[in-house]
Amino acid sequence: KQEVTQIPAALSVPEGENLVLNCSFTDSAIYNLQWFRQDPGKGLTSLLLIQSSQREQTSGRLNASLDKSSGRSTLYIAASQPGDSATYLCAVRWWNYGQNFVFGPGTRLSVLP
Amino acid sequence: ETGVTQTPRHLVMGMTNKKSLKCEQHLGHNAMYWYKQSAKKPLELMFVYNFKEQTENNSVPSRFSPECPNSSHLFLHLHTLQPEDSALYLCASSQDASGRFNEQFFGPGTRLTVL
Repeated sequence: KQEVTQIPAALSVPEGENLVLNCSFTDSAIYNLQWFRQDPGKGLTSLLLIQSSQREQTSGRLNASLDKSSGRSTLYIAASQPGDSATYLCAVRWWNYGQNFVFGPGTRLSVLP
Repeated sequence: ETGVTQTPRHLVMGMTNKKSLKCEQHLGHNAMYWYKQSAKKPLELMFVYNFKEQTENNSVPSRFSPECPNSSHLFLHLHTLQPEDSALYLCASSQDASGRFNEQFFGPGTRLTVL
């Protein structure tokens, strides 16, 4: 069974810090990987989608990298702001696992003013 | 309306009730998804529809019955639910479920409470 893990489960940082969130997955034969943020009680907002052929994607202060061989993706957030406080989820799709996206448990981020 | 919308946003039902959740996407997508998000558990995929055909059923109990009348609308019909079915039910859509263009966009969810 394919699995996705995210460490740490929770992270608290002061405003202005650069930070890295981690996502690990079993089996390197991924199709693509998507990062989301979720505010409490709300739906998910898509942040970045990385195809298996890509090494990284950038959007504003966010940069996501992909290292298939080690089964990892990182989400880098530059100059964090209190508005970045949310739960960050990664989801992975594999070539041989149908059309399922498997989600990690998320990292709950708090950026303190 | 833009993006993905879901109604109702909150639903409380008894175990003997029948209710339906509705999802509508205004993105011109061809794939739609139902997910369940329970407390303390990762998001779980329930169903996938691609071009109105059901392509994934993740061993979901038959008390959950999906319906996709067209590429823009998705329903989840509920009957004789259990208290453990209480969760946030999220709908998502993507351009295509099987190709590269499967970046998913989510609705706000329906918070379901089963008494």
